[in-house]
Amino acid sequence: GENVEQHPSTLSVQEGDSAVIKCTYSDSASNYFPWYKQELGKRPQLIIDIRSNVGEKKDQRIAVTLNKTAKHFSLHITETQPEDSAVYFCAARISGNTPLVFGKGTRLSVIA
Amino acid sequence: NAGVMQNPRHLVRRRGQEARLRCSPMKGHSHVYWYRQLPEEGLKFMVYLQKENIIDESGMPKERFSAEFPKEGPSILRIQQVVRGDSAAYFCASSPQKTDTQYFGPGTRLTVL
Repeated sequence: GENVEQHPSTLSVQEGDSAVIKCTYSDSASNYFPWYKQELGKRPQLIIDIRSNVGEKKDQRIAVTLNKTAKHFSLHITETQPEDSAVYFCAARISGNTPLVFGKGTRLSVIA
Repeated sequence: NAGVMQNPRHLVRRRGQEARLRCSPMKGHSHVYWYRQLPEEGLKFMVYLQKENIIDESGMPKERFSAEFPKEGPSILRIQQVVRGDSAAYFCASSPQKTDTQYFGPGTRLTVL
């Protein structure tokens, strides 16, 4: 089955700097890669997703890149703000009949 | 359009009791997924259901755990004879189609004393 590795497990950045979180997946058949943000005690919220027919997607300060050959995808947050502090999860899914497989999360702290 | 609803938000049970967790998907969503999250860990898939059918239960423990999504009413995750190791946050998510984006509910935090 699919296996998703996520790094780093914790990340601290100064306000205004960029943050990058990386994930690798094992099954080349995976074709959907969402990113979720989870604040303490809250539900995971989808912030951006990408499908395997696209190499990059951007939404304001957030972007995701996908390298199918290397089987890795990354989340980029620019101009970080304190409210970006949360745990971020990547996930991958093989097309069709399998569930989302999540990474173990990255705790991002943005220091004002 | 209300989001995914879960209740109760917090549930305390003693060892050996039963826990029932409810999930109402977003309007128009017929696919429901249950995940378990332990402290400081990611989300682990448990079961995927459509109305009246279990599609994939590969993540469910073989004993004590069951799930249903009846024609009318919410999806139910049932844990019988709870043990301390069952303490976790249980999230459900819904989507309109199998391959679409999943939207999560607020979770039920189960504590087993």
